[in-house]
Amino acid sequence: GAVVSQHPSRVICKSGTSVKIECRSLDFQATTMFWYRQFPKKSLMLMATSNEGSKATYEQGVEKDKFLINHASLTLSTLTVTSAHPEDSSFYICSATSGETFSYNEQFFGPGTRLTVL
Amino acid sequence: AQSVTQLDSQVPVFEEAPVELRCNYSSSVSVYLFWYVQYPNQGLQLLLKYLSGSTLVKGINGFEAEFNKSQTSFHLRKPSVHISDTAEYFCAVSEAGFQKLVFGTGTRLLVSP
Repeated sequence: GAVVSQHPSRVICKSGTSVKIECRSLDFQATTMFWYRQFPKKSLMLMATSNEGSKATYEQGVEKDKFLINHASLTLSTLTVTSAHPEDSSFYICSATSGETFSYNEQFFGPGTRLTVL
Repeated sequence: AQSVTQLDSQVPVFEEAPVELRCNYSSSVSVYLFWYVQYPNQGLQLLLKYLSGSTLVKGINGFEAEFNKSQTSFHLRKPSVHISDTAEYFCAVSEAGFQKLVFGTGTRLLVSP
């Protein structure tokens, strides 16, 4: 199957700093990428959907100025957590698909990034 | 809007025993249904999906699931589990024709010798 990578796998930062997480599709072109947040013992919550070359669509309740998403190429999307605070600590997972947004195409998931804000 | 309920947060089972992981969903429109598996420190992997057609769906690693529209359920089953099946299992739903997934809270399957 298709491979999606995330970098870094784990990051610890101080409160107030910004952190960038990369999501790459290694062997296919990802027209759409999704960013999820997973709390302990909770389900994955979709944060935003990004299409290459256009602005991300954020889910209700997700601060777009706090979580900046850039999908600059067909193989790379980045999530930047700006001015991170301890409550932003979580497991962030991306997924990618090569199909159209409004149809079924399998989402391939990255391994996740554990963010800890001190 | 869709929602998914996985009532069992953890299911312990002995090796070679059968297992069923329960999933119920709520939706006012037609849906697609999925089961994903997450091994430690890895991303989610698709086990199986129901889009349309036969309500009994077979997936990888010997798993299968049955879509029951009247009971709004999509339970995952395996007749004989292995130690290597120990993982977190997520049920997910999307509105038919759309890609946005809504996940359940997951069920941890613990297989012991």
